[in-house]
Amino acid sequence: GAVVSQHPSRVICKSGTSVKIECRSLDFQATTMFWYRQFPKKSLMLMATSNEGSKATYEQGVEKDKFLINHASLTLSTLTVTSAHPEDSSFYICSARAPSDRNLGGYTFGSGTRLTVV
Amino acid sequence: GEDVEQSLFLSVREGDSSVINCTYTDSSSTYLYWYKQEPGAGLQLLTYIFSNMDMKQDQRLTVLLNKKDKHLSLRIADTQTGDSAIYFCADAGYQKVTFGTGTKLQVIP
Repeated sequence: GAVVSQHPSRVICKSGTSVKIECRSLDFQATTMFWYRQFPKKSLMLMATSNEGSKATYEQGVEKDKFLINHASLTLSTLTVTSAHPEDSSFYICSARAPSDRNLGGYTFGSGTRLTVV
Repeated sequence: GEDVEQSLFLSVREGDSSVINCTYTDSSSTYLYWYKQEPGAGLQLLTYIFSNMDMKQDQRLTVLLNKKDKHLSLRIADTQTGDSAIYFCADAGYQKVTFGTGTKLQVIP
């Protein structure tokens, strides 16, 4: 199947610093990747859609300047949480759409990144 | 926008069957997924169903889809303590995947 690798799996950072999370499609090219965030006791919420070679599309309520997304190649999208604060602590998951003949209908997910801001 | 709803909690005894329900609103769904999330872990894809199917069985898992009512269910036969987790249904339209709120399954030994 298609594999998406997300790194790091866990990160602890100090308040005010920035953290970069990487999402890589290992064995396929992904023109579109998706970034999700999981709030406590709530579902995964789509934050933004990352488009290779163009600007990301952010969902309503997501701060573009705080959550910087870069999709510079067909296999890599990055999410940078800038000037992180404790309320940014969460579980972030990326996803990509694989070619239609792979991985059960196309969507494959990274294993997630647990961000803790102290 | 699309909406996917699930009950938040389900408790069953070990060995019984578990049924987790999900409703969705997007009529353009192509695939519907069930994911399992154990504490502190990422999503694990359990199974999926194409929107033109009514049922899919995969070992202990049975997925039922009522497209008319936009209702999806996941049945776990012979539930084990290792099945304790949060289960998400997800509705895949063309552009993105919308997740349900998740159902926490508690298995009582």
